[in-house]
Amino acid sequence: KAGVTQTPRYLIKTRGQQVTLSCSPISGHRSVSWYQQTPGQGLQFLFEYFSETQRNKGNFPGRFSGRQFSNSRSEMNVSTLELGDSALYLCASNNGGASGETQYFGPGTRLLVL
Amino acid sequence: SQQGEEDPQALSIQEGENATMNCSYKTSINNLQWYRQNSGRGLVHLILIRSNEREKHSGRLRVTLDTSKKSSSLLITASRAADTASYFCATDKGNAGNMLTFGGGTRLMVKP
Repeated sequence: KAGVTQTPRYLIKTRGQQVTLSCSPISGHRSVSWYQQTPGQGLQFLFEYFSETQRNKGNFPGRFSGRQFSNSRSEMNVSTLELGDSALYLCASNNGGASGETQYFGPGTRLLVL
Repeated sequence: SQQGEEDPQALSIQEGENATMNCSYKTSINNLQWYRQNSGRGLVHLILIRSNEREKHSGRLRVTLDTSKKSSSLLITASRAADTASYFCATDKGNAGNMLTFGGGTRLMVKP
């Protein structure tokens, strides 16, 4: 099976703009989770989507949003970008069953906000 | 915010030596997992240990969990240059779904 793919891999935006990142999970996986990784805050959970519904949400402002489509592909959107949004954004997928199931991570999208 | 801390933050060893990384967490957990990340890329799952387990092995990896001390350790035996990476522990509370809380990570460098 193909792994988790994320597009684009690199992105440069300016403050105030918005951005949409895409994640295609492993075929058959129904859960997609998003994480933000920065040098200062480390890896932080953004949200999880399962069967097109947000199932869990981290502690991020409303500028961060996401959605999941019927084919399990997911997008996350960040509006009104701030310099602090510069980060590596990782998505992960699995079957979405009981906790402790292995999550399979994509290579990430590196976002730079100028 | 992060669940806990990892210790040491950085570790440099020679090939063939063992590497031990420690992770502490703050709240009760259901499972603890260890992931590896190479040079700012995606994370790769290494091993999972459940809260009712004390030790687990997988190849050259050995993980221990002490829930009374809220800590875990990852031992990599006979390290190789290819083990050079950052290692993260991640915990979940057993709620429905996948919400992992990561530690700060240990950067391991294995010198050939």
